[in-house]
Formats: sequence, structure tokens, C-alpha cells
Amino acid sequence: NAGVTQTPKFQVLKTGQSMTLQCAQDMNHNSMYWYRQDPGMGLRLIYYSASEGTTDKGEVPNGYNVSRLNKREFSLRLESAAPSQTSVYFCASRDRVVGELFFGEGSRLTVL
Amino acid sequence: QKEVEQNSGPLSVPEGAIASLNCTYSDRGSQSFFWYRQYSGKSPELIMSIYSNGDKEDGRFTAQLNKASQYVSLLIRDSQPSDSATYLCAVILVGSGNTGKLIFGQGTTLQVKP
Repeated sequence: NAGVTQTPKFQVLKTGQSMTLQCAQDMNHNSMYWYRQDPGMGLRLIYYSASEGTTDKGEVPNGYNVSRLNKREFSLRLESAAPSQTSVYFCASRDRVVGELFFGEGSRLTVL
Repeated sequence: QKEVEQNSGPLSVPEGAIASLNCTYSDRGSQSFFWYRQYSGKSPELIMSIYSNGDKEDGRFTAQLNKASQYVSLLIRDSQPSDSATYLCAVILVGSGNTGKLIFGQGTTLQVKP
């Protein structure tokens, strides 16, 4: 039972570099989410996908793009990383009937 | 104003006491509410979900919802040192078309002192 799998778990980037965070879930959930967590800020929603083929902006979408590749996979891309994007990123998925979010283990990103 | 607000704390209670954690939200149409617990360096884990006004109890935890006041709370009875964590309130907002936009508060840090 893998649940929600995120890769990579750790990444160090230089300012201006690009990278993609990958997320996959094996629970057949329709909805998937990307959050970032900074000290004292709780979880802030970056983008979410209510169902395959749709994506919507969350609270802090600037500087990010997403792709809902299929029902299982939802990727987050940083086109030109900035130090302000240093954070822990969590992917999550949700069954719209049951309601609760299931989280991945998080990806710690540092931008120098 | 954030759409989901919590007092960041820390909230400090002695072992065995009741801890009361509070959360307010701005979207009056919201119907789904969740409490998550997060230990340092770990992912959040669900404690309770609540959808109807009133109380919902699960072991030492009670969630309370008052939609008229746009207020949801979590009570932890007989608090234990192992309850020391950050507690996150989450709300599904419906104002943007009921797409499942799930927003968290900033979290309340609870410290239970032996």
C-alpha cells in the first residue's frame, strides 16, 4: 500500500534553475493537491486538481505550474526557482465522497 | 483576512488537562471540516472530520462545529505528552464553485507538560 508517493524527497537548486516535483497516488482518488509549508504558515495551497483534466489555482500559485498527467499523477514545476520557494512541499489526494486528504511524505526543497 | 484562521500558540496545558483548539473560517457555505495533527518533520494525519452542527466524539477527541458562527473547535481530553504537536484546521471552500478547494489554517502548536 504505497498511498501517495512524492519524488524527490530532498532537492537543492540554484536560483533560476528549474525542476519538477512528481506525485503519484494508487488509491483511485479523483482530487489531488499541492501544498507548501513554511514555519508558522501552516499548509498553503499552491494548485489543485478536482479531477483528471482540470487544474485550479490555490492560495499561492505564482511561480509554479502543474500538470495532471492522468488520474494517478500530478506534477508541480518550478520554471525558474527563487530562494522564496525554499519550503517543504506536500502532495495529497482525496476521495470526494469520503473527503479526507491523504498526504505524501513531503519534499524538502532548498533554493540557494 | 485568511480564509481559515487559527491561533498559532503555543498552547501549553498540563498532562491530564483538556486542550481546546479553535478555528474560524470565512466561507459561510462551507460544509466539510477537518482536524489534522502534525508531528515535527512528518506529514499531517487526520484526527477528525465533521460535517454537521454539534459535537462529534472519537475517543479523547471531540470536534465541535457551529456553522452560524463559522467556528470549529477540537477538544482533547486527558491530554498526554504524546499529544504535543501542531494541530491544523482544514475547510473545503465552496465559494469558488465547489471544486474541492481545501484550505488550512496556520496551525496551533500544542505543548502538553508532564
